[in-house]
Amino acid sequence: GQGVEQPDNLMSVEGTFARVNCTYSTSGFNGLSWYQQREGHAPVFLSYVVLDGLKDSGHFSTFLSRSNGYSYLLLTELQIKDSASYLCAVRDNNNRIFFGDGTQLVVKP
Amino acid sequence: DMKVTQMPRYLIKRMGENVLLECGQDMSHETMYWYRQDPGLGLQLIYISYDVDSNSEGDIPKGYRVSRKKREHFSLILDSAKTNQTSVYFCASSFYGTGTGNTLYFGEGSRLIVV
Repeated sequence: GQGVEQPDNLMSVEGTFARVNCTYSTSGFNGLSWYQQREGHAPVFLSYVVLDGLKDSGHFSTFLSRSNGYSYLLLTELQIKDSASYLCAVRDNNNRIFFGDGTQLVVKP
Repeated sequence: DMKVTQMPRYLIKRMGENVLLECGQDMSHETMYWYRQDPGLGLQLIYISYDVDSNSEGDIPKGYRVSRKKREHFSLILDSAKTNQTSVYFCASSFYGTGTGNTLYFGEGSRLIVV
């Protein structure tokens, strides 16, 4: 579908941080959101951005650069339970929302 | 209660049979979506509905149709199911606005196996 790309896998260490990258190319832009999905469960909304810059929401922060078609989700003070798949989703000018394939984050002790 | 409910949760059908997946939401959301998710992959958009009887195709509409006769209900229909339609189907809903429209509420999914 519309191009939303994420790396397949990411590994980090408990207590540190992880940055999940997302690049997109869609028919217009009307917002970008991030979801967490655990195995066998539905995605859960984390954050959305519509303007450029960094949005700090504590444990999760989100950055957006519309001119570069780029976003990242930053998780700080990682815990083992943060291990999950993180999905990037972009809303186009027709309000359709397209997802990337997800990045599987593994947090090691 | 802010909930999206999908029925049935699990379904096994024979190739060629018809399938009806139902979705309901109690938040008066205008917009509703149907996605499918295959193992290790993200969600693929099948259809979007902007409100009652206002539906539009997503990326993979072939083999599917939808119905929205009430704002709170959105159905996905497979006429003559195929084995490659085996998947987990997620329904989601949101308000229409710029900010709120980026917040999707998902149902728990309907796991369909076509044999």
